[in-house]
Amino acid sequence: GNSVTQMEGPVTLSEEAFLTINCTYTATGYPSLFWYVQYPGEGLQLLLKATKADDKGSNKGFEATYRKETTSFHLEKGSVQVSDSAVYFCALSDPSKAGTALIFGKGTTLSVSS
Amino acid sequence: EADIYQTPRYLVIGTGKKITLECSQTMGHDKMYWYQQDPGMELHLIHYSYGVNSTEKGDLSSESTVSRIRTEHFPLTLESARPSHTSQYLCASKGWDSYEQYFGPGTRLTVT
Repeated sequence: GNSVTQMEGPVTLSEEAFLTINCTYTATGYPSLFWYVQYPGEGLQLLLKATKADDKGSNKGFEATYRKETTSFHLEKGSVQVSDSAVYFCALSDPSKAGTALIFGKGTTLSVSS
Repeated sequence: EADIYQTPRYLVIGTGKKITLECSQTMGHDKMYWYQQDPGMELHLIHYSYGVNSTEKGDLSSESTVSRIRTEHFPLTLESARPSHTSQYLCASKGWDSYEQYFGPGTRLTVT
């Protein structure tokens, strides 16, 4: 079945450091891939998405590239800020099953200190 | 910005009480979902709906029930709350032709 594996946290960084959060997936066919972010006390917000191989999703300085050959969708940011502290979820959606829910990874907590 | 609402945001209730968590969206989305989020932050799908009068159980077994009488409304009910039900409950919706889900702010439930 489809699944998502992302690196375990917590990830602790200083402000302006480089961020990578690894995400790999197992899926039949060609899934769409997402990164969601959850700030303390809030629901999930879509951060970025990619719907086909080699697509790069980007938003708010975050980027992730859909790599079919390595089944990966790693999240990166060149210079993190304290305000980026949150929980990040990698997720996939099976395009052959438009009605089904997303499949989420377990989440990675990011803590950025000044 | 997504228009999906959940009430209450926080609820503390005693064991044995009946509770209903409300979820409403104004985007006209057919599909709606309930997730339970454990303290380790992992999300588990507990219910979903494809449209009015459609409800299905998710991957995680739950003692809660849901209903979908109107497109915009997807309430979740616990007939008799127990401490094991203490969790964060997140509601989400998406349109028929989209793979992107929109989430509400969540309800944090504590059963004492």
